[in-house]
Amino acid sequence: GIQVEQSPPDLILQEGANSTLRCNFSDSVNNLQWFHQNPWGQLINLFYIPSGTKQNGRLSATTVATERYSLLYISSSQTTDSGVYFCAVGGSGGKLIFGQGTELSVKP
Amino acid sequence: DVKVTQSSRYLVKRTGEKVFLECVQDMDHENMFWYRQDPGLGLRLIYFSYDVKMKEKGDIPEGYSVSREKKERFSLILESASTNQTSMYLCASSLFRVEDPRAFFGQGTRLTVV
Repeated sequence: GIQVEQSPPDLILQEGANSTLRCNFSDSVNNLQWFHQNPWGQLINLFYIPSGTKQNGRLSATTVATERYSLLYISSSQTTDSGVYFCAVGGSGGKLIFGQGTELSVKP
Repeated sequence: DVKVTQSSRYLVKRTGEKVFLECVQDMDHENMFWYRQDPGLGLRLIYFSYDVKMKEKGDIPEGYSVSREKKERFSLILESASTNQTSMYLCASSLFRVEDPRAFFGQGTRLTVV
């Protein structure tokens, strides 16, 4: 099956810093999504981005499908950005296969 | 906005009990999913359903069953709860359309089996 690897596993930032999270996947996909899990456990859908670039406020994402990776950029980070960021790719029947996540901690 | 609601935020059950976790979505989504999340293991798919009364096993179905009698509701059943089923359970739903396959999650249920 498809393998999804995220890096780095952990990241500590000072408020205001920028960061880049990476997601590599082992096979071609037509469904790639980024999620943020807040400290209370809720997973929020950030982007559906099978290819190209999208922006939403301080967050943006780029997927290069031919090279099988996706990047999530966080600019001017805030303490509320803390949590775990997951990349997930689509398997058969709409299933999502998740990476292990990047745990981000933003310090004031 | 899509809303996915799980019946309980926290649940404590005894070993051997039959446990029902309920999930309801309000956006007429065809697909519904149950995942469990454990430290170091990430999110693993237990079961999913792409239509009423349809279900398919995910990666770790052993010890679980599901029920989908109505489109908006997907129930996860622990037939005889065991301590190794202590975990965070997450329900999700999505459309079956390729154009918009975004998944939306409920708030999660932290289940402790004692």
